[in-house]
Amino acid sequence: DAGITQSPRHKVTETGTPVTLRCHQTENHRYMYWYRQDPGHGLRLIHYSYGVKDTDKGEVSDGYSVSRSKTEDFLLTLESATSSQTSVYFCATSTSLETQYFGPGTRLLVL
Amino acid sequence: GQQVMQIPQYQHVQEGEDFTTYCNSSTTLSNIQWYKQRPGGHPVFLIQLVKSGEVKKQKRLTFQFGEAKKNSSLHITATQTTDVGTYFCAGATSGSRLTFGEGTQLTVNP
Repeated sequence: DAGITQSPRHKVTETGTPVTLRCHQTENHRYMYWYRQDPGHGLRLIHYSYGVKDTDKGEVSDGYSVSRSKTEDFLLTLESATSSQTSVYFCATSTSLETQYFGPGTRLLVL
Repeated sequence: GQQVMQIPQYQHVQEGEDFTTYCNSSTTLSNIQWYKQRPGGHPVFLIQLVKSGEVKKQKRLTFQFGEAKKNSSLHITATQTTDVGTYFCAGATSGSRLTFGEGTQLTVNP
């Protein structure tokens, strides 16, 4: 959907290591989002961006940082991964604050 | 902040039975959207409702937006195994981003 790719698609890492997930879009959408999805919690917003170098926190931002240096790329960094950050991470984009298009997701396992 | 509650969390049905999921917002919404996520997949946009009391249909799926624009429902008539997945509602207030409900996971027994 909307030409959104995420990399890597799967990652296994160890506690304490830094991890960066990448979201790339080809639709020139202004807004980009990072969510995590865990059983029983639905989709929880981590951070979002409303333009190049313009980002804001979501409801579960602790332990995560983001950067957006280009319209098409939105990076999510776990500074020091913890087991509680094991999850499926989805990137999404939108042209406004409304209808969102999701990427295929990244499955992250922190051992 | 804005909260969107969705019930039930899980629903198991026999193929051919109907299914309904409900969404309630703590605030009045400018619009509500519905998404479907197949097992192992990503959420996909289904529909958007904007007007008070609005009803929209997509084949066996019927979407309603409440008169007060604080609640919504998705009804599936005569479920099929292809309906399996998690259905999310997401509400927006004017000028703010979407808030997703926790989703209803539907399983259909053939």
